[in-house]
Amino acid sequence: DTAVSQTPKYLVTQMGNDKSIKCEQNLGHDTMYWYKQDSKKFLKIMFSYNNKELIINETVPNRFSPKSPDKAHLNLHINSLELGDSAVYFCASSRSRDRGNGYTFGSGTRLTVV
Amino acid sequence: EDQVTQSPEALRLQEGESSSLNCSYTVSGLRGLFWYRQDPGKGPEFLFTLYSAGEEKEKERLKATLTKKESFLHITAPKPEDSATYLCAVQTPSGTYKYIFGTGTRLKVLA
Repeated sequence: DTAVSQTPKYLVTQMGNDKSIKCEQNLGHDTMYWYKQDSKKFLKIMFSYNNKELIINETVPNRFSPKSPDKAHLNLHINSLELGDSAVYFCASSRSRDRGNGYTFGSGTRLTVV
Repeated sequence: EDQVTQSPEALRLQEGESSSLNCSYTVSGLRGLFWYRQDPGKGPEFLFTLYSAGEEKEKERLKATLTKKESFLHITAPKPEDSATYLCAVQTPSGTYKYIFGTGTRLKVLA
């Protein structure tokens, strides 16, 4: 039973298209995150939600829009995809009152824009 | 500016050859330092949290230590299954508990 699950695992799409990535966690955590990992393996925070409220919104193009329908789900919608959006996107979750246990990450979505 | 630097970028060890990975940080008020392991094609997996200088944590062949400026991940008598990328992250003192990750050390342990 996967703790943090992301779909799809792979996504190949053309420039200009709109796509979504879904994330669900069954750990009962109250905080969820989206991270982007570039080709050099650098992980950078994009967004974070705590109990459906946006708490971190880094300098990300407004083509990226997160949505959290409930605290177990955090989706990422990307409009007008560009070549530079190609990366691996990771969803993660944590319990805000127990940050000593770190984050639980999903297995990632590899996005390739052609 | 808050920064995390990991060294070396890559490390090849023979099975049984102990070594250390370094994570240097500059953060105004450390709230926590975290070590993760990442296998190819997978998300990072949490290993340790360290909060204050002098603190140490151990798990099997791994031992993490923390000073005021850096953390070390010591690997004792590594095995091929320890091959992975090891990531260090610091938690900033902002109210949003944001992580800043280093770029990782790719470890390869040869049999």
